[in-house]
Amino acid sequence: GQQVQQSPASLVLQEGENAELQCNFSSTATRLQWFYQHPGGRLVSLFYNPSGTKHTGRLTSTTVTNERRSSLHISSSQTTDSGTYFCAIHTGYQNFYFGKGTSLTVIP
Amino acid sequence: NSKVIQTPRYLVKGQGQKAKMRCIPEKGHPVVFWYQQNKNNEFKFLINFQNQEVLQQIDMTEKRFSAECPSNSPCSLEIQSSEAGDSALYLCASSLDRDAEQFFGPGTRLTVL
Repeated sequence: GQQVQQSPASLVLQEGENAELQCNFSSTATRLQWFYQHPGGRLVSLFYNPSGTKHTGRLTSTTVTNERRSSLHISSSQTTDSGTYFCAIHTGYQNFYFGKGTSLTVIP
Repeated sequence: NSKVIQTPRYLVKGQGQKAKMRCIPEKGHPVVFWYQQNKNNEFKFLINFQNQEVLQQIDMTEKRFSAECPSNSPCSLEIQSSEAGDSALYLCASSLDRDAEQFFGPGTRLTVL
């Protein structure tokens, strides 16, 4: 079954607005990563975050492992934030399960 | 930022042809992963290595796909006889450990005509 579910599937924001992306997973995760995928394809690791809250710049990731959920908050969005954001979990069997992503479009 | 290198960036093959792509992991990363991402943003794990040894691979990889990570050479993923359904973005990632943070290359976009 679906190991990782992301919501919303797509999101359109006005520049300057905040975004909240959700990730829910069905198995116990020993590791969770948030990625940004450039339109050209490269996946950039944003957070490696087994549990708790982490910040980098305008991004905040909060993971509550025992509730099997994580969120990615983008504050003061910019047009360069446009792209697809993926959540992926590792379940301890060397498999890494990805969600289907949230496509973010930030318009000026 | 990731220093994983993948070549070529684009690959176009006819059905039945071989398709080979390469990956140079980040220096010092002994673990390498290959994933397939289709046009619906579905990722599929294919195979992973620790140094030159296969850790895990899926059934699809065992049949038409072959992969290796020889010492002092790029890792490679080869599809022996390409099918239309193999058209996808093939992503290579490397990490310090099988459970550690993974860093991805830019991918090889394969189109099978």
